[in-house]
Amino acid sequence: KAGVTQTPRYLIKTRGQQVTLSCSPISGHRSVSWYQQTPGQGLQFLFEYFSETQRNKGNFPGRFSGRQFSNSRSEMNVSTLELGDSALYLCASSQGLEASFQETQYFGPGTRLLVL
Amino acid sequence: GDSVTQMEGPVTLSEEAFLTINCTYTATGYPSLFWYVQYPGEGLQLLLKATKADDKGSNKGFEATYRKETTSFHLEKGSVQVSDSAVYFCALSGGGKLTFGQGTILTVHP
Repeated sequence: KAGVTQTPRYLIKTRGQQVTLSCSPISGHRSVSWYQQTPGQGLQFLFEYFSETQRNKGNFPGRFSGRQFSNSRSEMNVSTLELGDSALYLCASSQGLEASFQETQYFGPGTRLLVL
Repeated sequence: GDSVTQMEGPVTLSEEAFLTINCTYTATGYPSLFWYVQYPGEGLQLLLKATKADDKGSNKGFEATYRKETTSFHLEKGSVQVSDSAVYFCALSGGGKLTFGQGTILTVHP
């Protein structure tokens, strides 16, 4: 079974631009979560989508948004990029049967975003 | 809110040494606990998990026991290898998300 895939793997953008990242979950998984990883803040939860609906949300500004399609693929968008948005963005998928996240999350390799 | 505290790193060991990485947590309810590992340039891989008190998770020689009385989930391995060099994250589930510790960098020398 193929794992979680993320595209692109690397991105360079300039301040003020916007960016869209994509995540394809493991086949059969309906939940997709997004995390931001930085050296200073570590791993922080952005949001989770299940069956095309945002089910949980972390403490990030509205510039960070996402969506999920009927095939469970998810996209994350960051508008008006800031230097501090430079990070590794990870997505994770699971069957999503447990809204409490008791089940295992399977992570993709991440998209490394550099904002200049 | 929920939080996870890992021992300060980095940790440097010689091959075949014993490894302990401490992890304590604060949470409401009864979270599941996880250890994830991240190799250079890669995403996170689940190493082991435990879903209730006194459960022991194990995988690839690594073990961790869910201790509710001490709110801990320490990671141990009896004999580390060079290939174990990576960043290790302790995490708990709750509130609709995973909450991670800061990560511990492990370097194993031959």
